[in-house]
Amino acid sequence: GAVVSQHPSWVICKSGTSVKIECRSLDFQATTMFWYRQFPKQSLMLMATSNEGSKATYEQGVEKDKFLINHASLTLSTLTVTSAHPEDSSFYICSARGGPSSYNEQFFGPGTRLTVL
Amino acid sequence: GNSVTQMEGPVTLSEEAFLTINCTYTATGYPSLFWYVQYPGEGLQLLLKATKADDKGSNKGFEATYRKETTSFHLEKGSVQVSDSAVYFCALLNNFNKFYFGSGTKLNVKP
Repeated sequence: GAVVSQHPSWVICKSGTSVKIECRSLDFQATTMFWYRQFPKQSLMLMATSNEGSKATYEQGVEKDKFLINHASLTLSTLTVTSAHPEDSSFYICSARGGPSSYNEQFFGPGTRLTVL
Repeated sequence: GNSVTQMEGPVTLSEEAFLTINCTYTATGYPSLFWYVQYPGEGLQLLLKATKADDKGSNKGFEATYRKETTSFHLEKGSVQVSDSAVYFCALLNNFNKFYFGSGTKLNVKP
């Protein structure tokens, strides 16, 4: 089946630093990747959609300059949280669309837990 | 607009009990409906899906029927196991390929 990985699985950083999270589709080419944010005991909220080789499309209320998304290849997208603050602490999940299914199914990564001190 | 509403948890059941987790939706157009499961510390895994009205999705003993007339997609399982303990998310995928998730329902199954 289609597998999506994320790295790191968890990260702790100091306030003011930047953190990069990678999302990879391991066995298929992902034409589109999505980044979600999940607060404790809450649902996933779509942050942005990225297509390979083009700029990401951000959802309303998501700061483009704070959450930098790069989708440089068909198997890799990165989310960089710039100048992180404690309120950025969350569970970040990516998904990738493509793969063997003709239905354009999205496959989710295992998530990255970010804690900003 | 598009939205998904599912019953609040946690839901606590004994092993082999019958499970129902309610999910209703509002949508424009003709969405597809999904149930995802999230185990502690992990991402979402697709449990089942239905792409059009009256379709029934099923997997691992779980099933849900796409009811357009009641805008519902309730998740059911006849006999739950301890290993089914997780958080379950109902979701819709709209015609623009954008997901909308419910708030999740935590299921605790006790032996």
